[in-house]
Amino acid sequence: DQQVKQNSPSLSVQEGRISILNCDYTNSMFDYFLWYKKYPAEGPTFLISISSIKDKNEDGRFTVFLNKSAKHLSLHIVPSQPGDSAVYFCAASAMNRDDKIIFGKGTRLHILP
Amino acid sequence: DAGITQSPRHKVTETGTPVTLRCHQTENHRYMYWYRQDPGHGLRLIHYSYGVKDTDKGEVSDGYSVSRSKTEDFLLTLESATSSQTSVYFCAITGTGANTDTQYFGPGTRLTVL
Repeated sequence: DQQVKQNSPSLSVQEGRISILNCDYTNSMFDYFLWYKKYPAEGPTFLISISSIKDKNEDGRFTVFLNKSAKHLSLHIVPSQPGDSAVYFCAASAMNRDDKIIFGKGTRLHILP
Repeated sequence: DAGITQSPRHKVTETGTPVTLRCHQTENHRYMYWYRQDPGHGLRLIHYSYGVKDTDKGEVSDGYSVSRSKTEDFLLTLESATSSQTSVYFCAITGTGANTDTQYFGPGTRLTVL
């Protein structure tokens, strides 16, 4: 059973607008969440993370929101730029398994001109 | 960029042949991981290592074995490759553990099993 779910396989957003990527999780033991970005033919690269003690973390154009009661997190990109077109993976780790993380299936973001 | 290399970058092999993929790091990081990426499945953990000679299974470990005889190298072996193991394989490293530290990924190895 999937512990980290990204229910939208793809998303198209106009350049300059806000992109919102969503992620749900089922394991209440997860306490650290990450977003990775992946371009074709490259390895994933870390984008932003959030600990369960926070509900928001911001880094430039990227903000991650965490709603623990709903077991939901989202990544906001404002404003969206052409270089943001990529696959975005949501990931989570649990306090009792500090050596590995679980990834979602990814959402492909297309930024339209 | 984290110093991670993978070799080979591309490989085509036949069903039933053994295959070994190598991950090499220059960061002296403790943890190393092997993932596979497949359409519709995202990144799935195969095996990981938390130190020299210390390894553990991930969620899709069947058909794979690993070895780590020194800090900088983590080898993934397919003893007898099958077509279902056609995939892109990524190695990742992290220093202090996945729940407190970022994972840095290598460039990937594209493996095709005919």
